[in-house]
Amino acid sequence: GEDVEQSLFLSVREGDSSVINCTYTDSSSTYLYWYKQEPGAGLQLLTYIFSNMDMKQDQRLTVLLNKKDKHLSLRIADTQTGDSAIYFCAESMGNYGQNFVFGPGTRLSVLP
Amino acid sequence: NAGVTQTPKFQVLKTGQSMTLQCAQDMNHEYMSWYRQDPGMGLRLIHYSVGAGITDQGEVPNGYNVSRSTTEDFPLRLLSAAPSQTSVYFCASSFRTSGDNEQFFGPGTRLTVL
Repeated sequence: GEDVEQSLFLSVREGDSSVINCTYTDSSSTYLYWYKQEPGAGLQLLTYIFSNMDMKQDQRLTVLLNKKDKHLSLRIADTQTGDSAIYFCAESMGNYGQNFVFGPGTRLSVLP
Repeated sequence: NAGVTQTPKFQVLKTGQSMTLQCAQDMNHEYMSWYRQDPGMGLRLIHYSVGAGITDQGEVPNGYNVSRSTTEDFPLRLLSAAPSQTSVYFCASSFRTSGDNEQFFGPGTRLTVL
């Protein structure tokens, strides 16, 4: 089956930039997503990128897509303690594109 | 709008018991799905539905049943609970034809099977 991979842990100091990386396998995915999960909560969509784009910026978030290498990254500028959470990369699959394949999640810890 | 709601929030079952996890959405979304979340494995799709009366299997459907009699509700049934079904279960919904396919997630049900 399809596989989405991420490193499991990342620690950064408050104020630094965080970069979370993801590799995916399905080159036909139309959209790629980043979701955030805070403790005890469901998943919240952070941002997404259309597959014909290389980069998308949204305030402190920058998404980079390298379609050739099937590599997706999420950069969080000026990381704050409130950014501590698990971040999931996902690609959409299936006839309607609504079946998501998620990575294992990267737990971001922001140190004061 | 309440969004996507799930009940119960927590449940403990004994092996062999059955139960139904409830999911409802008030956004008139056609598409609904169930995922389970296990440590280090992300979310895996159990079953999904593209509209009332239509359901299909995802990646890990064994041991679970679903039905979709209304647009709003998409219950997940565990027929005979097993310890391997200990997990956190998330329901999600979206517009079937939305360009960006954004899925909205419920808060989750944490299930423990003893």
